Amino acid sequence: SQKIEQNSEALNIQEGKTATLTCNYTNYSPAYLQWYRQDPGRGPVFLLLIRENEKEKRKERLKVTFDTTLKQSLFHITASQPADSATYLCALMGGNNRLAFGKGNQVVVIP
Amino acid sequence: DAGVIQSPRHEVTEMGQEVTLRCKPISGHDYLFWYRQTMMRGLELLIYFNNNVPIDDSGMPEDRFSAKMPNASFSTLKIQPSEPRDSAVYFCASSLNGEAISGYTFGSGTRLTVV
Repeated sequence: SQKIEQNSEALNIQEGKTATLTCNYTNYSPAYLQWYRQDPGRGPVFLLLIRENEKEKRKERLKVTFDTTLKQSLFHITASQPADSATYLCALMGGNNRLAFGKGNQVVVIP
Repeated sequence: DAGVIQSPRHEVTEMGQEVTLRCKPISGHDYLFWYRQTMMRGLELLIYFNNNVPIDDSGMPEDRFSAKMPNASFSTLKIQPSEPRDSAVYFCASSLNGEAISGYTFGSGTRLTVV
């Protein structure tokens, strides 16, 4: 069956350090992968998309890598700030245009 | 644009009652999606529409759930009769195209509690 796995344990990180999150997937052949941010009581917000032929994508302090051989994406927040505290979800397109999400990984940036 | 607008924000209802959730997508977005989020199962796609037509409702858990999109600016998700296990946060999202290249835009959700 298809699975998208993210670490269920919250990542506590000191302000200024780099936070790294992992997204692993099984039985998908995605043309691209997306990352979203979700704050408490809000809907997910799209951050960025990385295509299968891109090894790395950057947006401001965010960096995403995509390894289709390992079936894994890494999401990095550099120079983390307390305002980066949120849950981050990865998403993949499955069959019939169904965008499936991982359960998310919470990041807590400690001042 | 005000984004995707959902109402109500919170709904508490008794088991057996009918519940109707509402969504106004972003103007010009051709696709509308209904998701449900729980701690156990995360975000699950229930149904999506393209140009007001339901395309895939395979995620709708039971016949008690139904969704409509009478026009490009309005959709409803109805649960009748509601059960405690339907308690969750229901999100509506819209996008310019089904491939989600630009990402989905989500509303703030409706937190449903069935007692």
